[in-house]
Amino acid sequence: DIVMTQSPDFLGVSLGERATLNCKSSHNILNNSNNKNWLAWYQKKPGQPPKLLIYWASTRQSGVPDRFSGSGSGTDFTLTIDSLQAEDVAVYYCQQYYKSPLTFGGGTEVEI
Amino acid sequence: EVQLVESGGGLVQPGGSLRLSCEASESIFSDFSNYWIHWVRQGPGKGLQWVARIDVDGSVTDYADSVKGRFTISRDNAKNTVHLEMHSLRVEDTGVYYCARARRSCTSCLNYWGQGTLVTVST
Repeated sequence: DIVMTQSPDFLGVSLGERATLNCKSSHNILNNSNNKNWLAWYQKKPGQPPKLLIYWASTRQSGVPDRFSGSGSGTDFTLTIDSLQAEDVAVYYCQQYYKSPLTFGGGTEVEI
Repeated sequence: EVQLVESGGGLVQPGGSLRLSCEASESIFSDFSNYWIHWVRQGPGKGLQWVARIDVDGSVTDYADSVKGRFTISRDNAKNTVHLEMHSLRVEDTGVYYCARARRSCTSCLNYWGQGTLVTVST
């Protein structure tokens, strides 16, 4: 199985500051057939279902604020939240869909 | 807005069975049969774990190793419904089970989710 490792486990950020979340894959998840990285980012708040933020490592899902951005390729990926807002407090998960079984990282909890 | 509603969760003893259902709102999901559907769970105090997926017509199914041979995913496109049959349940299967619809262009990018149904496996 492809192991997804997220860091840090917890991230404290001041309002208006930038948050940088990391995700490392145990396997290269860049698919040469479409030249895309098969990685997504989700936001999870207590009592709510996950919300898709980013897919193909850097494509923002419709309706997601542009302060959220994804980058990286191969095995190392980053989710950046520019100008953190109070409503961004959540746990963030990366997920690879390059190979079955689909696997999630352990999550990064973002707090103010 | 797409709506997915899970049902069928509850309390069951170890070794027991449950059948979860995921129904899509008909008014929005007129093309339900064009989308892959997944089940993802979250155990108490734990992270997200992918469980299973099914392709547009049910001909392709896929499972996490931890549930393979015990869980079966199926779909009825005429009823806009996906089911997850769970047998030989274990304590570690406890959690909130979410169904999720994938994007058409990315069959494992999950952009619509239900609110989840709680499964508790305990004596």
